[in-house]
Amino acid sequence: NAGVTQTPKFRVLKTGQSMTLLCAQDMNHEYMYWYRQDPGMGLRLIHYSVGEGTTAKGEVPDGYNVSRLKKQNFLLGLESAAPSQTSVYFCASRRMGQPQHFGDGTRLSIL
Amino acid sequence: AQSVTQLDSHVSVSEGTPVLLRCNYSSSYSPSLFWYVQHPNKGLQLLLKYTSAATLVKGINGFEAEFKKSETSFHLTKPSAHMSDAAEYFCVVNNFGNEKLTFGTGTRLTIIP
Repeated sequence: NAGVTQTPKFRVLKTGQSMTLLCAQDMNHEYMYWYRQDPGMGLRLIHYSVGEGTTAKGEVPDGYNVSRLKKQNFLLGLESAAPSQTSVYFCASRRMGQPQHFGDGTRLSIL
Repeated sequence: AQSVTQLDSHVSVSEGTPVLLRCNYSSSYSPSLFWYVQHPNKGLQLLLKYTSAATLVKGINGFEAEFKKSETSFHLTKPSAHMSDAAEYFCVVNNFGNEKLTFGTGTRLTIIP
């Protein structure tokens, strides 16, 4: 039982490049989330999903897109990376009323 | 609406002394409350959760927290700090039926040998 798995763990991009971060969970959770973590700012919600085929904006959605084509997967896309998107990205999943389970994070640097 | 305030951004204690990390919350409904711990370069791990059962909640690694509705607080405590407790701690609130959780900005705990 792997829990929440994020791919890749590290990535360096050049400004303007695109990439997709993958989150996979094997706990059959309904809800999935993408956060970014920056020094002194805690975790900020980018996008989330309450079920397969649904997505919604969080507090910092600009510059990101997401998709949830399968219940177990939640993809975060950067269409045109900017240095301001340098951050550590965390995926999480949960059932309603229950705690979130987190992945180990993806460290993304935009040069 | 829901919000959470962690009153200290940084706490330092000596090894073997008590730990107190403070958290106040604001919630329109009976909330669920959580404490998470994050060790360097790691993801967040659940320490404990309150979901309207007992007000004193015991978690992993000797931590516990007490839900006090009258004070809207959910402080995290541990009787005796260990070096391995050095980490960042996050208080989290969630109203029932709300898909989104609200995180505090974190408290960095340093243990002095």
